[in-house]
Amino acid sequence: QKEVEQDPGPLSVPEGAIVSLNCTYSNSAFQYFMWYRQYSRKGPELLMYTYSSGNKEDGRFTAQVDKSSKYISLFIRDSQPSDSATYLCAMPGANNLFFGTGTRLTVIP
Amino acid sequence: KAGVTQTPRYLIKTRGQQVTLSCSPISGHRSVSWYQQTPGQGLQFLFEYFSETQRNKGNFPGRFSGRQFSNSRSEMNVSTLELGDSALYLCASNLGQGNSPLHFGNGTRLTVT
Repeated sequence: QKEVEQDPGPLSVPEGAIVSLNCTYSNSAFQYFMWYRQYSRKGPELLMYTYSSGNKEDGRFTAQVDKSSKYISLFIRDSQPSDSATYLCAMPGANNLFFGTGTRLTVIP
Repeated sequence: KAGVTQTPRYLIKTRGQQVTLSCSPISGHRSVSWYQQTPGQGLQFLFEYFSETQRNKGNFPGRFSGRQFSNSRSEMNVSTLELGDSALYLCASNLGQGNSPLHFGNGTRLTVT
């Protein structure tokens, strides 16, 4: 079983839709949770960084963590074509960062 | 502040050759990590260097090696290239303490023919 599982999509939504991206993980020792966004031909850039269970909001983005279910989500409100990218969840282990495989999102104008 | 810089951006090599990739971290960052990204496997950790020493290593064969210089710049070398080594190689830097987030460069796209 992989440390982090993520639905690869692809996911295609109309502009203005609410997007939900999800990851599950197997290691209950994970304490920090990150979301990265990767545009085509670019490296991943850090989008959200959370520590505790619950919600963290930053503009149109909300990161949600449910440690009891080992489940994290990223919600994008009022999605824009500029949000079209691959979204990767990540969790730091003892020695390195474990990544999900990424979900490719396309927002259609 | 300048971001993580990787050179070259694109590279084409043939099987059996070797290649060296370069990474300049964000100023002040002492840790440099390398990742391989492929469509099937996603991001896989290669190794991490901190203060010129390899601190952590992933599950890659010995053909993959790296080093870090006193100015924190890092190089990654792959010897005896195989077709399966074709991938995007990403370098990331951070402060190297606690769980400070990684900041990635735009990668080097390696194609092995």
